[in-house]
Amino acid sequence: QKEVEQDPGPLSVPEGAIVSLNCTYSNSAFQYFMWYRQYSRKGPELLMYTYSSGNKEDGRFTAQVDKSSKYISLFIRDSQPSDSATYLCANAPPGAGNKLTFGGGTRVLVKP
Amino acid sequence: NAGVTQTPKFRVLKTGQSMTLLCAQDMNHEYMYWYRQDPGMGLRLIHYSVGEGTTAKGEVPDGYNVSRLKKQNFLLGLESAAPSQTSVYFCASSLSYSGANVLTFGAGSRLTVL
Repeated sequence: QKEVEQDPGPLSVPEGAIVSLNCTYSNSAFQYFMWYRQYSRKGPELLMYTYSSGNKEDGRFTAQVDKSSKYISLFIRDSQPSDSATYLCANAPPGAGNKLTFGGGTRVLVKP
Repeated sequence: NAGVTQTPKFRVLKTGQSMTLLCAQDMNHEYMYWYRQDPGMGLRLIHYSVGEGTTAKGEVPDGYNVSRLKKQNFLLGLESAAPSQTSVYFCASSLSYSGANVLTFGAGSRLTVL
């Protein structure tokens, strides 16, 4: 079983809608979870990270961790065409040191 | 401030040929990584380094070698390229071992092996 898994999409939404992205993870230990955004033919860039549980908000972006169901979520409010990208979740379980494990990525398309 | 720079950006090889991908970072980061990205597979770690002169295997190391002779450079080598190594390769670097390990990625190197 992979450490983190996510639906590949694509997820298509109209401009202004809320984008909801999910990943499941397998290791229940306390750990960091991260969301990266990757535009076409570019390298991933960090959006935000959370530690083990709870919510974190940064502008239009909210990251959530649900430990009971082993879900991590990313919400994008008031989505813009510039949010069209692939979103990758990642985790760093204990014992993995500084090595992140990435999900396969979900492609998002925000239509004007 | 360039961040992480990868060269070359594109390369086409024939089966059995060798090549080296170069990664350079100017952020004085201690840790460096090579990932490959294939459709639907996400990013998979090939090799990584926790400091100058050190290297370690990641998830998919077979067929690749690496060297970190200087802190700012991390080289990925393919001694005998195979079609299965057709992929997009990303180099990344990070500063911190503890806490949230934030990786800074390069723009990628697209390799095709015929």
